[in-house]
Amino acid sequence: DTAVSQTPKYLVTQMGNDKSIKCEQNLGHDTMYWYKQDSKKFLKIMFSYNNKELIINETVPNRFSPKSPDKAHLNLHINSLELGDSAVYFCASSHESRGGQETQYFGPGTRLLVL
Amino acid sequence: GQSLEQPSEVTAVEGAIVQINCTYQTSGFYGLSWYQQHDGGAPTFLSYNALDGLEETGRFSSFLSRSDSYGYLLLQELQMKDSASYFCAVRDVNTGFQKLVFGTGTRLLVSP
Repeated sequence: DTAVSQTPKYLVTQMGNDKSIKCEQNLGHDTMYWYKQDSKKFLKIMFSYNNKELIINETVPNRFSPKSPDKAHLNLHINSLELGDSAVYFCASSHESRGGQETQYFGPGTRLLVL
Repeated sequence: GQSLEQPSEVTAVEGAIVQINCTYQTSGFYGLSWYQQHDGGAPTFLSYNALDGLEETGRFSSFLSRSDSYGYLLLQELQMKDSASYFCAVRDVNTGFQKLVFGTGTRLLVSP
C-alpha cells in the first residue's frame, strides 16, 4: 500500500488556468506538508497542516491555497498559473512533536508544466 | 534562520567510498537528517543524528559534530544504484513545529 500518494503525477496546462493537486497519507500522521522543488532541485517548504490546521505558511503567492479536509488529506489549489510555477510539487507527512526531528515521508511528486 | 551548504556534485566509481559533507548555520539545533532522492523520485529518509558521532546503517553511515556545525554522509561499497541526490536537513527551531530546512543537495554520480 502506498504510504503517501499524490494525484496527478503529471500536469501540463496553459498559463492562466486553475489546477488542483491532491494528496493522501495512510500512515496515521497528524502533520502534512507541501514542498516545491525547482529545476535546480532546491526543495523548499510551502505549507504545513497539523490536524487540519495551517501551521506553516511560507512566503508564497496567494494564488496557492492549501486545504485539508481531514488529517489524512491535504490538497493544493493553484489559481492563474504562471510559467514560474513549473516545478515538482511534493506532498509529505510526519508526526508532530515539540522535540527532536521527525522523519518526513514524501509522496511521488506532481510534475507541473505550465505552457 | 537556518542555512546548509553541501557540495553540488561528487563523482566516484563502483566499490569506492565517498563522503558527502554538510555544514550548517542554525540558531538552535535538534539534529541533522539525510535524505536520498533518485532522479524522478521522491526524497526518502536515510538517517538522523541528534548527538555527536557516527551512526551506521548498512553501507551508509552518518556523522555529526555539533561543535563544528558539520556532518557528513559516508557511502561505502558504492553501487550504481547509489547515483542520486543527497540532501542534509535541519529543523527550523523558530517555528516550534516540524519544519525542515534542506540543504542545496549533492548529486552523486557512480560510474562503472
